[in-house]
Amino acid sequence: EAQVTQNPRYLITVTGKKLTVTCSQNMNHEYMSWYRQDPGLGLRQIYYSMNVEVTDKGDVPEGYKVSRKEKRNFPLILESPSPNQTSLYFCASSPNLYEQYFGPGTRLTVT
Amino acid sequence: RKEVEQDPGPFNVPEGATVAFNCTYSNSASQSFFWYRQDCRKEPKLLMSVYSSGNEDGRFTAQLNRASQYISLLIRDSKLSDSATYLCVVIDYNQGGKLIFGQGTELSVKP
Repeated sequence: EAQVTQNPRYLITVTGKKLTVTCSQNMNHEYMSWYRQDPGLGLRQIYYSMNVEVTDKGDVPEGYKVSRKEKRNFPLILESPSPNQTSLYFCASSPNLYEQYFGPGTRLTVT
Repeated sequence: RKEVEQDPGPFNVPEGATVAFNCTYSNSASQSFFWYRQDCRKEPKLLMSVYSSGNEDGRFTAQLNRASQYISLLIRDSKLSDSATYLCVVIDYNQGGKLIFGQGTELSVKP
């Protein structure tokens, strides 16, 4: 089944404790991206990647890191999470930018 | 001014009603337009693309007005299952193919 998977789906953590949210797709898509969704603000792009070893900042990259060592994986790293990073996070992949396939989301709470 | 703006709603309509959403965008260089549907904080899914000539998919009709810089989504004969949040998405290729999401319009169809 073609899909984008994210783990974990839910995470509660404390300020400053490094965490990684994994994202994997099995559709051989070149384009992958990370978004956060907050009430009243909609989906905002954090980082995106056009291909392996090619990443670029989106609208809200501060406090996040990504890597793209393999085509299928695009992890999101929070080196020192803060409460303002409490949000719903979506990973997405796309063959052509037009149709984004989103993962199921990761709900992160930073206390 | 936000790059993509939508009326957040909620739009509460009875089954069988016709409902229309508008979405305005600020950058006249925006080049591709889409409607996504998001159910109850689940992942967004592509509903339909929006072409300059307008396009229809069953009960759904999408239109683009470049002169006034807005796109619209019309839903005829609303079903209970149409209840969701509808996200307007604009792609600006002058910004490297950046996807810009509206904050979404919530639709609730009542029996």
